[in-house]
Amino acid sequence: SQTIHQWPATLVQPVGSPLSLECTVEGTSNPNLYWYRQAAGRGLQLLFYSVGIGQISSEVPQNLSASRPQDRQFILSSKKLLLSDSGFYLCAWSVARVGGRGVADTQYFGPGTRLTVL
Amino acid sequence: GQQVMQIPQYQHVQEGEDFTTYCNSSTTLSNIQWYKQRPGGHPVFLIQLVKSGEVKKQKRLTFQFGEAKKNSSLHITATQTTDVGTYFCAGPRDNAGNMLTFGGGTRLMVKP
Repeated sequence: SQTIHQWPATLVQPVGSPLSLECTVEGTSNPNLYWYRQAAGRGLQLLFYSVGIGQISSEVPQNLSASRPQDRQFILSSKKLLLSDSGFYLCAWSVARVGGRGVADTQYFGPGTRLTVL
Repeated sequence: GQQVMQIPQYQHVQEGEDFTTYCNSSTTLSNIQWYKQRPGGHPVFLIQLVKSGEVKKQKRLTFQFGEAKKNSSLHITATQTTDVGTYFCAGPRDNAGNMLTFGGGTRLMVKP
């Protein structure tokens, strides 16, 4: 069966410090991978998605970046954190579709990282 | 771009009362998914609806997809404290089906 891991679970960082959040998926190959951010009590904001190694699409301009160095590894980074970067960061995966008919596949979320920037 | 709106944003109910959340899309959807996020947890997939007018049930939960495939609803009968959480609907965002657009969610609070 497939599992998705995220770490760390919680993180408190000072403003201006760097960030690296890691997500790994097991039990599947060539998944689509996603990074979402959720502000307290709010909805899900898609930050990045990837359909393959080295292929990253950014949804919103920000001081965050993402990388996919391996098939099942997705990393979210920042060189200098801002107060507004605080939130709940969720990684998710789905089955990659080629030539799909628009019927979206289920997304499976990791446990998330709760980031507080002080 | 496509927008998916959910109402209400919050709902307080007494345990045993029914609850409904509604999801509306600005465009026709090929399918719609529902997720539940418990407080402090991550979203978990509940169900997917594909056909126009489709109705699916999971115990006390009833999911419906509109005839025009632009709206959907989730109805919970006789809520329990275990139903507490935020319910999100989501529709495909691209033609390939690789991305989802999530609604803003409805947060359900149940008073015992």
